[in-house]
Amino acid sequence: DAGVTQSPTHLIKTRGQQVTLRCSPKSGHDTVSWYQQALGQGPQFIFQYYEEEERQRGNFPDRFSGHQFPNYSSELNVNALLLGDSALYLCASSTGSDTQYFGPGTRLTVL
Amino acid sequence: AQSVSQHNHHVILSEAASLELGCNYSYGGTVNLFWYVQYPGQHLQLLLKYFSGDPLVKGIKGFEAEFIKSKFSFNLRKPSVQWSDTAEYFCAVTTLSGGSYIPTFGRGTSLIVHP
Repeated sequence: DAGVTQSPTHLIKTRGQQVTLRCSPKSGHDTVSWYQQALGQGPQFIFQYYEEEERQRGNFPDRFSGHQFPNYSSELNVNALLLGDSALYLCASSTGSDTQYFGPGTRLTVL
Repeated sequence: AQSVSQHNHHVILSEAASLELGCNYSYGGTVNLFWYVQYPGQHLQLLLKYFSGDPLVKGIKGFEAEFIKSKFSFNLRKPSVQWSDTAEYFCAVTTLSGGSYIPTFGRGTSLIVHP
């Protein structure tokens, strides 16, 4: 049983570019949440998707957007990248309970 | 809005020493509490969780945590640490909002255990 998977593992972009990160949830999970983890900090909630709709959103600008597909996989898009967007982006999946299972993350570096 | 404080940012212990990592949260309502661990090069893993019932919760690898509602605390303990416990430890709190549970994480505690 595969856990949560994310791609790519690492990514390097320049300021102003756009990036798309991908996540496949754990089998049987229908809810996907995205987090940003800056160096030396805990994960910060970006948003959560359920039934292909954004259900909750954290304190992140509209440059951060997402999508969930019918197979429950999800994408995180970030437009107009800033240096401060450099971080580890984590995807977590869950079902009706609130225990979330995390993927390995995508390390984004913005130059 | 809820917040989570982990007061120990860096902890260095020798093997067999006892461990206690502090976690305090600010939210007056019903909360669910978690401790996650991130071993070097690995992803976040659930260590233990508290939803209700016995406030003393036992998790994997000999860890336990005690929920003290009056102190808004959920401290993590282990009687005797091992070198393999070297990792980042994150406390998290969830509350029900808009039909879903969104965790708020503390900034983490880096634990280094010397052999």
